[in-house]
Amino acid sequence: DAGITQSPRHKVTETGTPVTLRCHQTENHRYMYWYRQDPGHGLRLIHYSYGVKDTDKGEVSDGYSVSRSKTEDFLLTLESATSSQTSVYFCAISADRNYGYTFGSGTRLTVV
Amino acid sequence: DQQVKQNSPSLSVQEGRISILNCDYTNSMFDYFLWYKKYPAEGPTFLISISSIKDKNEDGRFTVFLNKSAKHLSLHIVPSQPGDSAVYFCAAPGSSNTGKLIFGQGTTLQVKP
Repeated sequence: DAGITQSPRHKVTETGTPVTLRCHQTENHRYMYWYRQDPGHGLRLIHYSYGVKDTDKGEVSDGYSVSRSKTEDFLLTLESATSSQTSVYFCAISADRNYGYTFGSGTRLTVV
Repeated sequence: DQQVKQNSPSLSVQEGRISILNCDYTNSMFDYFLWYKKYPAEGPTFLISISSIKDKNEDGRFTVFLNKSAKHLSLHIVPSQPGDSAVYFCAAPGSSNTGKLIFGQGTTLQVKP
């Protein structure tokens, strides 16, 4: 299996609280991505990283921030969780721009 | 404005028959397309891809067809097996240099024994 893990796998949190999701890879891949999956919308890009400390916004970045201080870790933070952020979050890694993504197993986040 | 669209949320076929999953796109600059497969409680996995210089790419039971003039691609699975039951996403690269992918909404395929 490709070395990518997401934690936690499941989380329930209250509206207004900050939440951090972690993506950890052991592949030394340069590119990392955070997507969310919602019914009727497929997979939508939240943020991505093309190197340590190099990040940029995706199409649904409002309410989210990211950090990448090490090659292996890409953190996604919901600054103040809302019910609309209830979703399944996937991290993906890629060695280069050949679009060969490897996805993590996902984090199911419920905001109550 | 969904640049990659899968208009059929679900598809049900009998085992052994052909499954055809469709995908439309709006950006004529897209030059590469991919299909991913996703089982419940797992992340998507890469299935097959096609470059815009081709109109067909085959890998075992899976074939992807590309019709550039219609901005349409399709994934054919022949013969379909119960283990093919999953959600299928088509995807295309977004802006250059970043490896971003734009995904369709997904189609849930159910293959009945």
